[in-house]
Amino acid sequence: QKEVEQDPGPLSVPEGAIVSLNCTYSNSAFQYFMWYRQYSRKGPELLMYTYSSGNKEDGRFTAQVDKSSKYISLFIRDSQPSDSATYLCAMSTGNTPLVFGKGTRLSVIA
Amino acid sequence: DAGITQSPRHKVTETGTPVTLRCHQTENHRYMYWYRQDPGHGLRLIHYSYGVKDTDKGEVSDGYSVSRSKTEDFLLTLESATSSQTSVYFCAISESGGLAYNEQFFGPGTRLTVL
Repeated sequence: QKEVEQDPGPLSVPEGAIVSLNCTYSNSAFQYFMWYRQYSRKGPELLMYTYSSGNKEDGRFTAQVDKSSKYISLFIRDSQPSDSATYLCAMSTGNTPLVFGKGTRLSVIA
Repeated sequence: DAGITQSPRHKVTETGTPVTLRCHQTENHRYMYWYRQDPGHGLRLIHYSYGVKDTDKGEVSDGYSVSRSKTEDFLLTLESATSSQTSVYFCAISESGGLAYNEQFFGPGTRLTVL
């Protein structure tokens, strides 16, 4: 079992839908949780990060961490075609390099 | 791309030849990383550096070596390229300490094909 599991999709939704992207992990020492967005043929870019448990909101994006379930989520409200990309979760203990999920490919259809 | 450049951006080479990829940063960040990205595998860490001349292995380091003689440059060398090393290679950087250590910024990638 990999340390971080992420459903690769692809996920296709209509414009305006609420999108839920998820990752599970096995290492209880992970403290830092990130979401990266990667457009086609580009490098990943940091979208959101969370330290330890809880929620964090930034515009249409909300990141949630549930450490008791070893489960993290990214919600996108009012999804737009410009949100079409691959979303990668990543996490770290703070003393080791990030471990990435495989990424979920999202398409938002106008 | 946060002051990170990679060269070359595209390369086609033959099996058995050595290949060197270069990552250059203008952010003066302490940490630099090399990843490869393949369908079905996501991003996998090859090597990383935590300072000049200080490097460590990642998850998939076999067949790769790295060097960092200056803060701004991190070189990845495929000693004898194989077809299994056909991939997209990304360089990333991060500052040192705490949360900043984990906020990695990525370069635009190098697409390498080994025939």
